[in-house]
Amino acid sequence: TQLLEQSPQFLSIQEGENLTVYCNSSSVFSSLQWYRQEPGEGPVLLVTVVTGGEVKKLKRLTFQFGDARKDSSLHITAAQPGDTGLYLCAGLGTGGTSYGKLTFGQGTILTVHP
Amino acid sequence: SAVISQKPSRDICQRGTSLTIQCQVDSQVTMMFWYRQQPGQSLTLIATANQGSEATYESGFVIDKFPISRPNLTFSTLTVSNMSPEDSSIYLCSVEGYGYEQYFGPGTRLTVT
Repeated sequence: TQLLEQSPQFLSIQEGENLTVYCNSSSVFSSLQWYRQEPGEGPVLLVTVVTGGEVKKLKRLTFQFGDARKDSSLHITAAQPGDTGLYLCAGLGTGGTSYGKLTFGQGTILTVHP
Repeated sequence: SAVISQKPSRDICQRGTSLTIQCQVDSQVTMMFWYRQQPGQSLTLIATANQGSEATYESGFVIDKFPISRPNLTFSTLTVSNMSPEDSSIYLCSVEGYGYEQYFGPGTRLTVT
């Protein structure tokens, strides 16, 4: 069974601050997906990173996939109240019983105060 | 991407009863997935539903407790049977994109009293 450790579990920051969320594993993943979920809604895909060392930017959000494809990070610059939500990482298994299966991290609840 | 709707959006049920959750997709898809989520926490996959075959259940979930139907390529139902307060949760259905990404419905918030 592949595990994905996501940290921190909670983040409470002021508008304008920067933050980083981490996802770490001892397992290699084919790709790593990041989702954001707002109350009363399902998770919405933000980005998928596929190649080791890959960096993707989505406005103020920067996503990075580790060189060994075992870890990933999400960095938000100048956070805004609209960034508030639950952030989830999910790794796509590479082989065996994990092939094609998503493993979700525990989630990070981000609150950005005006 | 796909647009997914779920019914009901929320319900309060008494223990011992059953609730059937419906999931409708706006396009034909091979696989549909059912997840469970405690508010503010991660997602746990319950089962994968392919049209025309029995659903595949993850460890810890059984067909008698969570029967699933998949009558066509755009629709699925999940029933939560003989409910107890421990079944109180958010139930989400999803479909898979080309890169194995998931597109989720809005969820059904179930409270069992």
